Amino acid sequence: GNSVTQMEGPVTLSEEAFLTINCTYTATGYPSLFWYVQYPGEGLQLLLKATKADDKGSNKGFEATYRKETTSFHLEKGSVQVSDSAVYFCALMRSGGYQKVTFGTGTKLQVIP
Amino acid sequence: GAGVSQSPRYKVAKRGQDVALRCDPISGHVSLFWYQQALGQGPEFLTYFQNEAQLDKSGLPSDRFFAERPEGSVSTLKIQRTQQEDSAVYLCASSEQGLDFSGANVLTFGAGSRLTVL
Repeated sequence: GNSVTQMEGPVTLSEEAFLTINCTYTATGYPSLFWYVQYPGEGLQLLLKATKADDKGSNKGFEATYRKETTSFHLEKGSVQVSDSAVYFCALMRSGGYQKVTFGTGTKLQVIP
Repeated sequence: GAGVSQSPRYKVAKRGQDVALRCDPISGHVSLFWYQQALGQGPEFLTYFQNEAQLDKSGLPSDRFFAERPEGSVSTLKIQRTQQEDSAVYLCASSEQGLDFSGANVLTFGAGSRLTVL
């Protein structure tokens, strides 16, 4: 079945550091890939998405590239801010049928001043 | 409404009690999903509705869990005879498109209902 594996946290970085959160997936067909973010006390919010191989999703300085050859969708940001502190979830949406989303376990990011 | 609204935000139940969790999706959204998020874990799929039809309930962990969306808008997730392992955040999400949409459907999530079973 479909699954998503992402690096365990927590990840602690200083402000302005470079961020990478690794994500790999297993799926049949050609899924769409997503990063969701969950700020403390809030619901999941879509951060970015990519729908086909080699697509790059980007938003708020974050970006991720859909790599079919390595089945990966790593999240990167060049310079993190304290306000980026949150839990980040990698997810995939299967192709075909209704759009059921499968999530990874989440990676907590803490950015310190 | 502007977003997906869930109530109650927090619920404490004694073991064996029944609970009902409500989801108000974005008006006009065809698809509605329920997810369960245990502490420190990612959301796990429970069930899916397209309008009033429950098309997939494969993720419901036991027959104590029941969901409905009788008029194709508001949905209720009911848990009977709650157990401690039911403690989790229950997330509702909706999307504009339904089964016949071939693109990447974007889900809008509510803030969740945190259930604690003592």
